[in-house]
Amino acid sequence: SQQGEEDPQALSIQEGENATMNCSYKTSINNLQWYRQNSGRGLVHLILIRSNEREKHSGRLRVTLDTSKKSSSLLITASRAADTASYFCATPYNTDKLIFGTGTRLQVFP
Amino acid sequence: DVKVTQSSRYLVKRTGEKVFLECVQDMDHENMFWYRQDPGLGLRLIYFSYDVKMKEKGDIPEGYSVSREKKERFSLILESASTNQTSMYLCASSLGSWGDTGELFFGEGSRLTVL
Repeated sequence: SQQGEEDPQALSIQEGENATMNCSYKTSINNLQWYRQNSGRGLVHLILIRSNEREKHSGRLRVTLDTSKKSSSLLITASRAADTASYFCATPYNTDKLIFGTGTRLQVFP
Repeated sequence: DVKVTQSSRYLVKRTGEKVFLECVQDMDHENMFWYRQDPGLGLRLIYFSYDVKMKEKGDIPEGYSVSREKKERFSLILESASTNQTSMYLCASSLGSWGDTGELFFGEGSRLTVL
């Protein structure tokens, strides 16, 4: 089955720096979603980008989608310690189901 | 505020026990899902349901069953727990719209340890 793969697996940065995470997937999609998970908690939806969109913003988040390369990136600008979490991309398959990648663990040091 | 509630955050069970994990959503969503999450493997779909009394197998249904008697409640059942079912279990729901996979709302997770 298709799966998003995030890169890098782990990322450590200082507060104020930008964090960029990448996701690659295998088959055609109608949208791609990004989620965040704090340690030991459930996932929280961050942003959804549709296949006919190239870029989308939400607060300090910027998501791009390149359907020709089957890839997406999530940029968090001016990172804060509270952004420390795991970030997952998710892509639909077989209608109404999502498949998740293995995630990027982001550590933001104060 | 939308809410998905999982009945137990932490459970410890013994091998061979029957385990029930309960999930309730208050958003009148059609779709409900059970995932398990393991280090290095990400989230894997166990079962999902599009409607009351309807269920479909996900990618790893072996050793699990589900029940959806009411729209708001989706239960995951481990008939005979085994140590390899030690994991974090995540329930999710979504509004559901044919051909357009929307946002999933997750519960806080249930961490199950099988001894």
